[in-house]
Amino acid sequence: DAGVIQSPRHEVTEMGQEVTLRCKPISGHDYLFWYRQTMMRGLELLIYFNNNVPIDDSGMPEDRFSAKMPNASFSTLKIQPSEPRDSAVYFCASSFRGLGTEAFFGQGTRLTVV
Amino acid sequence: RKEVEQDPGPFNVPEGATVAFNCTYSNSASQSFFWYRQDCRKEPKLLMSVYSSGNEDGRFTAQLNRASQYISLLIRDSKLSDSATYLCVVIPAGGTSYGKLTFGQGTILTVHP
Repeated sequence: DAGVIQSPRHEVTEMGQEVTLRCKPISGHDYLFWYRQTMMRGLELLIYFNNNVPIDDSGMPEDRFSAKMPNASFSTLKIQPSEPRDSAVYFCASSFRGLGTEAFFGQGTRLTVV
Repeated sequence: RKEVEQDPGPFNVPEGATVAFNCTYSNSASQSFFWYRQDCRKEPKLLMSVYSSGNEDGRFTAQLNRASQYISLLIRDSKLSDSATYLCVVIPAGGTSYGKLTFGQGTILTVHP
């Protein structure tokens, strides 16, 4: 298996633009997580899905952020409009059954909003 | 209070030293515990699971104290390659947070010659 695949690896955009981050989880995994990591706040859980259904989105910073999982093999995290404070590394992770099992992370998307 | 708290360090130790990290969690219903390792500019990767009876993997020992709600990681005979950020992870058992993987802030370890 290729592991969790995220794209793009790097994104530089101007403030106010829409940004879409993509994630392909490991085949067969039923949990998918979106995290944001910064030096100041560490690794923050934004939202997670179980069987394509959002379970907890309490970590989504504000309405500018949205996430979808239209099928078991694809998820997007969208920021519209983007702001400089959104600059961070965004990780997607997936796991099987969620509880007691290893979560595998993608390599992350490094987002810079200027 | 944060759900999972760690001493961010940094810990600077010489090769061969023994170093220990602790992590406290607030949800007493938490059922699964892990230590992850993250190298600079890389993604987190599982280091080891933490079992109720404690477990050991080579130079690494993980322990769980449910009464005090903390987990620990002990690294013996530190190597230069152990330099990384160590993240503790907690998963609650049920309710609306079932399956929610919550990370601590991470503890930075630097092993020097």
